Parts: sequence; structure tokens; C-alpha cells
Amino acid sequence: DSGVTQTPKHLITATGQRVTLRCSPRSGDLSVYWYQQSLDQGLQFLIQYYNGEERAKGNILERFSAQQFPDLHSELNLSSLELGDSALYFCASSVGSVIHNEQFFGPGTRLTVL
Amino acid sequence: SQKIEQNSEALNIQEGKTATLTCNYTNYSPAYLQWYRQDPGRGPVFLLLIRENEKEKRKERLKVTFDTTLKQSLFHITASQPADSATYLCALGDGNQFYFGTGTSLTVIP
Repeated sequence: DSGVTQTPKHLITATGQRVTLRCSPRSGDLSVYWYQQSLDQGLQFLIQYYNGEERAKGNILERFSAQQFPDLHSELNLSSLELGDSALYFCASSVGSVIHNEQFFGPGTRLTVL
Repeated sequence: SQKIEQNSEALNIQEGKTATLTCNYTNYSPAYLQWYRQDPGRGPVFLLLIRENEKEKRKERLKVTFDTTLKQSLFHITASQPADSATYLCALGDGNQFYFGTGTSLTVIP
């Protein structure tokens, strides 16, 4: 158990809908990262937040947004969902702001868009 | 953009042998490179980090090398066990993004 929690574990929704994925980092970690993992794309970095501020940005679509709250939990919002958004979404956390710090991954949220 | 390539084919080895996985990268000179293990349906687990000024790093049965001239890292598991069967990912960051390789699937046969 990495200490990172993600909810929900599974999410099934329809095209065009909007969903919110939630992540709680390990106690003491200030950075939260979001990743998307699909069979054809592998593990893709989406975005990093550090202590409430956006720190680094990857290949995150404009339909996706994230934020980190004062209690350090983070939410990833996915809107206007498409079939291709079906994937495993992982959250990770680390102590510092530097992106190459050891990252601790949560169990993931499996999103299925029908 | 950054490109990271790992052994595209699955690797099957006999228990007790040494597994060697390769990670090649282009278009960047990272100061750090990391290796993670991922089991099916689970999040990656951090294994090792090696810095550009470190040629080699060891942790128990794991050994990582980092050749910045060749732009390559090798990941070795000695005395492999069936429990080592998993997908192994290399990863590097450039300060603004974090990139993972596609991973190499390792199966250790008893």
C-alpha cells in the first residue's frame, strides 16, 4: 500500500458526460501528479500540482482540468468524454516539487466511456 | 519531443538467471533516470533512481547502469524469481514533464 488513495475504483459513463476523479496523497507529500494509461499510449503524464499550484503540465487535453485543494487532495475533471478517454487514471504523490522525485502511485481509477 | 524506448518484446527467462532490460532515450539529456515496476491493473512502484554522474547503482538483487553517451540505461535483476514477473518501466523528467517508457514485460519461469 503506497498510502495514496484514489476514488472511485471504477467509473462507467457515456460519451459527452463529465466525471471527477479524486486523489488523496500520502501524508506529508505536497506534490500530486496525474497520469493516463491506455493500452496504445502507455503511461502519459498529464499534470503536476505542488502545494496547491500547478507545477508542470504534460499532454493534458483542454477538456481535462485538475486542481489541488488546501488539504492537498486533488481532483481531475474530465468533460465531454469520448470513447478514447477510456483508460486507467493514476494519481501519484511525492514530497517535493521536483518532478524527478520518487513518486508513489495510487491504485488507479478505471474509466470506461460507452 | 522526448522519446523513450524499451524492449518491445516480452522477456521470458528461467528462474535463477539474470534478466537485463534496456531503456533508450532520445532528444534529451536527463540528470536522473528512474525505474518502476508495474503489476497488472496496479500503479507503478518506484524501484531505483540513478543520477547522470552515477554509472551504476545497486539495491539488493537490482542493478541499474546509466550511460549518458549512449543515452541508455540497463536494468538487471540477478537470481530472478517468479515473483519478479511484472512490467518494468523506465522514466525520466525534464523539469516540465515526466516521461515513461512503454515498459518491458518480464516473465520468470520456475
